[in-house]
Amino acid sequence: DGGITQSPKYLFRKEGQNVTLSCEQNLNHDAMYWYRQDPGQGLRLIYYSQIVNDFQKGDIAEGYSVSREKKESFPLTVTSAQKNPTAFYLCASSMAWRGGTDTQYFGPGTRLTVL
Amino acid sequence: QKEVEQNSGPLSVPEGAIASLNCTYSDRGSQSFFWYRQYSGKSPELIMSIYSNGDKEDGRFTAQLNKASQYVSLLIRDSQPSDSATYLCAVKPGNQFYFGTGTSLTVIP
Repeated sequence: DGGITQSPKYLFRKEGQNVTLSCEQNLNHDAMYWYRQDPGQGLRLIYYSQIVNDFQKGDIAEGYSVSREKKESFPLTVTSAQKNPTAFYLCASSMAWRGGTDTQYFGPGTRLTVL
Repeated sequence: QKEVEQNSGPLSVPEGAIASLNCTYSDRGSQSFFWYRQYSGKSPELIMSIYSNGDKEDGRFTAQLNKASQYVSLLIRDSQPSDSATYLCAVKPGNQFYFGTGTSLTVIP
């Protein structure tokens, strides 16, 4: 089946810990994205990548880091510098066509809770 | 600032009625427009995409786009309780997708 997988589904972090959220896609999409969603809020872009070995900061990149070593994978690390990391984290991907009919699809999400 | 505005609701409609969801956007360069449905605790699911002015129908869903007015809407005909969810509007003016905060819809049996 083609799609986007995220793991783990639930993640608990202690204060001061770094944690890494996994995102893998087999849709052959060039672009991948990380969003954060807080209760009752919209999606806020953390980082996005249009191509392997390149990525750009979104609106709320502070306290997060990413890598894009493979087309299929775009892991997100939530560092201890992120003061309020409890949220629902969504990974998405798209073909990255400029204009045209590019469409974004989402993985199932990871719910991170700080203990 | 590339803003996407939606009425947060909640919007309540009786079963079988038409639900109308609205969205306005600020960037006139936006070329692609999307509606996603998000059930509580789940990730967004694509319902409709629209790229040209006018209407696009898919089953019980109709998306309407008016670029001159910077307005996109979603109509849900014959609303069902299973349509109860939050509906997110998204636009893509360049490399990024921009989302509204969503409209919560409740279909009352």
